[in-house]
Amino acid sequence: DVKVTQSSRYLVKRTGEKVFLECVQDMDHENMFWYRQDPGLGLRLIYFSYDVKMKEKGDIPEGYSVSREKKERFSLILESASTNQTSMYLCATTRQGGTQYFGPGTRLLVL
Amino acid sequence: KQEVTQIPAALSVPEGENLVLNCSFTDSAIYNLQWFRQDPGKGLTSLLLIQSSQREQTSGRLNASLDKSSGRSTLYIAASQPGDSATYLCVPRRGGTSYGKLTFGQGTILTVHP
Repeated sequence: DVKVTQSSRYLVKRTGEKVFLECVQDMDHENMFWYRQDPGLGLRLIYFSYDVKMKEKGDIPEGYSVSREKKERFSLILESASTNQTSMYLCATTRQGGTQYFGPGTRLLVL
Repeated sequence: KQEVTQIPAALSVPEGENLVLNCSFTDSAIYNLQWFRQDPGKGLTSLLLIQSSQREQTSGRLNASLDKSSGRSTLYIAASQPGDSATYLCVPRRGGTSYGKLTFGQGTILTVHP
């Protein structure tokens, strides 16, 4: 059965903290993605990766970075968290041409 | 740039009704199209994937059709149940290096009441 897991379901951080969100998949998919979801704005792509150590910017990469050292793991890093990064963060994976699978999401609150 | 519109934005129906959710997209050069559902506060669950060469795909009470040339897809839900209540998202996808860069519409919020 397909499995995409995210390190936390809920997270509360303070402004200026460095925040790590981790996504792990067990499907050997090449492609992994980070989105954020906000009311009225829908899902927006932050970063994605087509292979280990490869990354590309999505539509809203400012304030974020990513790391993909192993195929199954894709990390999203908030270098210095700000209140406008309070959001639901969703990780997704896909094999080229196939179904995209999403993790359960991490709801981040930055105070 | 791909734009996705889903109509209606919200739908509230009694249990047992057959439903039609509509999706239109501006760029018809798609590789495939995927329908998702999202429950409040949760991630997205894949419902159906239709390849660009296909006209429809069925899974249980769900049937999705695709008219690529006109930029339209329809999700048909038969005999709706309260457990179908969720937000439904239609996601057309390009091929090649753009494959995973999804464009989401606002979705259709469905409420099925007993």
